[in-house]
Amino acid sequence: GAGVSQTPSNKVTEKGKYVELRCDPISGHTALYWYRQSLGQGPEFLIYFQGTGAADDSGLPNDRFFAVRPEGSVSTLKIQRTERGDSAVYLCASSLRGQETQYFGPGTRLLVL
Amino acid sequence: AQSVTQPDIHITVSEGASLELRCNYSYGATPYLFWYVQSPGQGLQLLLKYFSGDTLVQGIKGFEAEFKRSQSSFNLRKPSVHWSDAAEYFCAVLFTGGGNKLTFGTGTQLKVEL
Repeated sequence: GAGVSQTPSNKVTEKGKYVELRCDPISGHTALYWYRQSLGQGPEFLIYFQGTGAADDSGLPNDRFFAVRPEGSVSTLKIQRTERGDSAVYLCASSLRGQETQYFGPGTRLLVL
Repeated sequence: AQSVTQPDIHITVSEGASLELRCNYSYGATPYLFWYVQSPGQGLQLLLKYFSGDTLVQGIKGFEAEFKRSQSSFNLRKPSVHWSDAAEYFCAVLFTGGGNKLTFGTGTQLKVEL
Protein backbone atom coordinates (compact mmCIF):
# COMPACT_ATOMS: atom_id res chain seq x y z
CA GLY A 1 0.00 0.00 0.00
CA ALA A 2 0.92 3.65 -0.21
CA GLY A 3 3.36 5.00 2.33
CA VAL A 4 3.51 8.40 3.99
CA SER A 5 3.60 11.19 1.44
CA GLN A 6 4.73 14.78 1.91
CA THR A 7 4.36 17.84 -0.25
CA PRO A 8 6.14 19.80 -1.45
CA SER A 9 9.40 17.88 -1.61
CA ASN A 10 11.31 21.16 -1.66
CA LYS A 11 10.32 24.64 -0.62
CA VAL A 12 12.35 27.82 -0.96
CA THR A 13 11.03 30.94 0.73
CA GLU A 14 12.20 34.29 1.91
CA LYS A 15 12.74 35.33 5.49
CA GLY A 16 9.50 36.54 7.01
CA LYS A 17 7.18 34.59 4.72
CA TYR A 18 4.56 32.04 5.73
CA VAL A 19 4.84 28.39 4.65
CA GLU A 20 2.66 25.31 4.86
CA LEU A 21 3.95 21.75 4.67
CA ARG A 22 1.58 18.89 4.07
CA CYS A 23 1.64 15.27 5.25
CA ASP A 24 -0.61 12.44 4.11
CA PRO A 25 -0.21 9.45 6.46
CA ILE A 26 -0.67 5.77 5.77
CA SER A 27 -4.37 5.01 5.47
CA GLY A 28 -5.84 3.89 8.77
CA HIS A 29 -3.01 5.24 10.92
CA THR A 30 -4.45 7.31 13.74
CA ALA A 31 -1.13 8.61 15.06
CA LEU A 32 0.84 11.23 13.13
CA TYR A 33 4.17 12.86 14.02
CA TRP A 34 6.24 15.78 12.78
CA TYR A 35 10.02 15.89 13.18
CA ARG A 36 12.65 18.37 12.07
CA GLN A 37 16.10 17.32 10.88
CA SER A 38 18.82 19.92 10.68
CA LEU A 39 21.97 19.32 8.67
CA GLY A 40 24.18 16.70 10.27
CA GLN A 41 21.71 15.93 13.03
CA GLY A 42 19.16 13.29 13.85
CA PRO A 43 15.48 14.13 13.58
CA GLU A 44 13.98 16.05 16.49
CA PHE A 45 10.40 15.67 17.60
CA LEU A 46 8.01 18.54 17.03
CA ILE A 47 4.42 17.38 17.57
CA TYR A 48 2.29 14.24 17.82
CA PHE A 49 -1.38 13.87 16.86
CA GLN A 50 -3.73 11.13 17.97
CA GLY A 51 -6.70 11.50 15.71
CA THR A 52 -7.57 15.16 15.30
CA GLY A 53 -6.00 16.41 18.51
CA ALA A 54 -2.42 17.30 19.31
CA ALA A 55 -1.51 14.89 22.10
CA ASP A 56 1.99 16.28 22.56
CA ASP A 57 3.29 19.56 21.11
CA SER A 58 6.23 19.90 23.46
CA GLY A 59 8.75 19.93 20.61
CA LEU A 60 7.43 22.97 18.78
CA PRO A 61 10.24 25.53 19.13
CA ASN A 62 8.08 28.65 19.47
CA ASP A 63 4.66 30.07 18.64
CA ARG A 64 5.58 30.63 15.00
CA PHE A 65 5.08 26.91 14.49
CA PHE A 66 1.60 25.41 14.40
CA ALA A 67 0.14 22.16 13.08
CA VAL A 68 -3.37 20.93 12.41
CA ARG A 69 -5.06 17.67 11.51
CA PRO A 70 -8.72 18.65 11.18
CA GLU A 71 -10.15 15.36 9.92
CA GLY A 72 -7.74 12.97 11.56
CA SER A 73 -5.89 12.16 8.36
CA VAL A 74 -3.89 14.80 6.46
CA SER A 75 -1.85 17.19 8.57
CA THR A 76 -0.41 20.60 7.80
CA LEU A 77 2.58 22.12 9.55
CA LYS A 78 2.46 25.90 9.40
CA ILE A 79 5.38 28.21 9.97
CA GLN A 80 4.83 31.95 10.29
CA ARG A 81 7.44 34.68 9.81
CA THR A 82 10.06 32.17 8.71
CA GLU A 83 13.65 32.65 9.81
CA ARG A 84 16.84 31.34 8.26
CA GLY A 85 17.25 29.02 11.23
CA ASP A 86 14.04 27.24 10.20
CA SER A 87 15.87 25.77 7.21
CA ALA A 88 15.81 21.99 7.64
CA VAL A 89 14.16 18.83 6.43
CA TYR A 90 10.71 18.40 7.94
CA LEU A 91 9.76 14.75 8.30
CA CYS A 92 6.33 13.32 8.89
CA ALA A 93 5.64 9.85 10.26
CA SER A 94 2.57 7.83 11.09
CA SER A 95 1.81 4.77 13.19
CA LEU A 96 -1.23 2.59 13.63
CA ARG A 97 -2.27 3.84 17.04
CA GLY A 98 0.52 5.06 19.29
CA GLN A 99 3.50 3.25 20.71
CA GLU A 100 4.44 1.15 17.72
CA THR A 101 6.62 1.52 14.69
CA GLN A 102 6.61 4.92 13.04
CA TYR A 103 6.81 5.00 9.25
CA PHE A 104 8.39 8.06 7.74
CA GLY A 105 7.71 10.05 4.63
CA PRO A 106 10.43 11.38 2.30
CA GLY A 107 10.43 14.79 3.96
CA THR A 108 10.11 18.39 2.82
CA ARG A 109 13.37 20.26 2.47
CA LEU A 110 12.75 23.88 3.52
CA LEU A 111 15.23 26.60 2.66
CA VAL A 112 14.69 30.08 4.04
CA LEU A 113 16.75 32.72 2.25
CA ALA B 1 17.87 12.86 31.44
CA GLN B 2 16.90 10.44 28.70
CA SER B 3 19.34 10.38 25.82
CA VAL B 4 20.62 8.36 22.88
CA THR B 5 24.27 8.23 21.89
CA GLN B 6 25.85 7.06 18.67
CA PRO B 7 29.56 7.43 19.40
CA ASP B 8 30.78 7.00 15.82
CA ILE B 9 30.02 9.88 13.47
CA HIS B 10 31.72 8.26 10.48
CA ILE B 11 32.69 4.66 9.78
CA THR B 12 34.44 3.30 6.69
CA VAL B 13 34.50 -0.40 5.91
CA SER B 14 35.55 -2.45 2.91
CA GLU B 15 32.91 -4.25 0.93
CA GLY B 16 32.50 -7.75 2.30
CA ALA B 17 33.77 -6.82 5.75
CA SER B 18 31.65 -7.05 8.87
CA LEU B 19 30.01 -4.02 10.41
CA GLU B 20 28.98 -2.97 13.88
CA LEU B 21 27.35 0.38 14.63
CA ARG B 22 27.04 1.35 18.27
CA CYS B 23 24.06 2.80 20.08
CA ASN B 24 23.70 3.50 23.80
CA TYR B 25 20.83 5.03 25.68
CA SER B 26 20.26 6.48 29.08
CA TYR B 27 16.97 5.51 30.71
CA GLY B 28 15.79 3.88 33.91
CA ALA B 29 13.63 1.24 32.23
CA THR B 30 13.67 -0.73 28.99
CA PRO B 31 12.63 1.43 26.08
CA TYR B 32 11.49 0.47 22.62
CA LEU B 33 14.48 0.48 20.27
CA PHE B 34 14.77 1.06 16.53
CA TRP B 35 17.35 1.35 13.79
CA TYR B 36 16.55 3.43 10.71
CA VAL B 37 18.59 4.00 7.55
CA GLN B 38 18.58 7.18 5.48
CA SER B 39 20.01 7.41 1.98
CA PRO B 40 20.84 10.84 0.54
CA GLY B 41 17.69 12.85 -0.11
CA GLN B 42 15.49 10.06 1.20
CA GLY B 43 13.31 9.57 4.23
CA LEU B 44 13.97 7.11 7.02
CA GLN B 45 13.53 3.41 6.36
CA LEU B 46 13.05 1.05 9.30
CA LEU B 47 15.69 -1.69 9.50
CA LEU B 48 14.58 -3.42 12.68
CA LYS B 49 13.03 -2.91 16.10
CA TYR B 50 13.02 -4.33 19.61
CA PHE B 51 10.06 -4.15 21.93
CA SER B 52 10.51 -7.23 24.14
CA GLY B 53 11.41 -10.91 24.03
CA ASP B 54 14.42 -12.32 22.21
CA THR B 55 17.25 -9.80 22.55
CA LEU B 56 18.70 -10.61 19.13
CA VAL B 57 16.47 -9.21 16.42
CA GLN B 58 16.69 -9.71 12.69
CA GLY B 59 15.86 -6.99 10.22
CA ILE B 60 15.79 -6.29 6.54
CA LYS B 61 18.81 -6.26 4.21
CA GLY B 62 20.68 -8.79 6.35
CA PHE B 63 20.98 -6.55 9.41
CA GLU B 64 20.60 -7.67 13.01
CA ALA B 65 20.83 -5.96 16.38
CA GLU B 66 21.32 -7.14 19.92
CA PHE B 67 19.77 -5.52 22.98
CA LYS B 68 22.01 -5.70 26.03
CA ARG B 69 20.22 -4.44 29.10
CA SER B 70 23.33 -4.46 31.29
CA GLN B 71 25.12 -2.15 28.85
CA SER B 72 22.08 -0.07 27.80
CA SER B 73 23.09 -0.81 24.23
CA PHE B 74 21.44 -1.79 20.98
CA ASN B 75 24.24 -2.28 18.46
CA LEU B 76 23.55 -2.90 14.78
CA ARG B 77 25.52 -5.57 12.93
CA LYS B 78 25.91 -7.01 9.47
CA PRO B 79 28.29 -9.88 8.69
CA SER B 80 29.16 -8.76 5.15
CA VAL B 81 28.63 -5.21 3.95
CA HIS B 82 27.58 -4.40 0.38
CA TRP B 83 28.41 -1.16 -1.44
CA SER B 84 24.70 -0.31 -1.45
CA ASP B 85 24.71 -0.18 2.36
CA ALA B 86 26.48 3.18 2.26
CA ALA B 87 24.07 5.56 3.99
CA GLU B 88 23.41 7.23 7.32
CA TYR B 89 22.15 5.07 10.15
CA PHE B 90 20.09 6.33 13.05
CA CYS B 91 19.37 4.64 16.33
CA ALA B 92 16.06 5.76 17.82
CA VAL B 93 14.48 5.16 21.17
CA LEU B 94 10.92 5.44 22.38
CA PHE B 95 11.05 6.04 26.11
CA THR B 96 7.90 4.32 27.27
CA GLY B 97 7.22 6.81 30.02
CA GLY B 98 7.67 9.80 27.77
CA GLY B 99 4.79 9.69 25.35
CA ASN B 100 5.10 8.44 21.80
CA LYS B 101 7.94 10.54 20.47
CA LEU B 102 11.15 9.02 19.15
CA THR B 103 14.49 10.30 20.38
CA PHE B 104 17.20 9.89 17.78
CA GLY B 105 20.94 9.66 18.00
CA THR B 106 23.02 11.97 15.85
CA GLY B 107 23.61 9.25 13.28
CA THR B 108 26.54 7.29 11.88
CA GLN B 109 27.58 7.90 8.30
CA LEU B 110 28.72 4.65 6.70
CA LYS B 111 31.10 4.67 3.77
CA VAL B 112 31.84 1.44 1.91
CA GLU B 113 35.12 1.08 0.05
CA LEU B 114 35.11 -1.18 -2.99
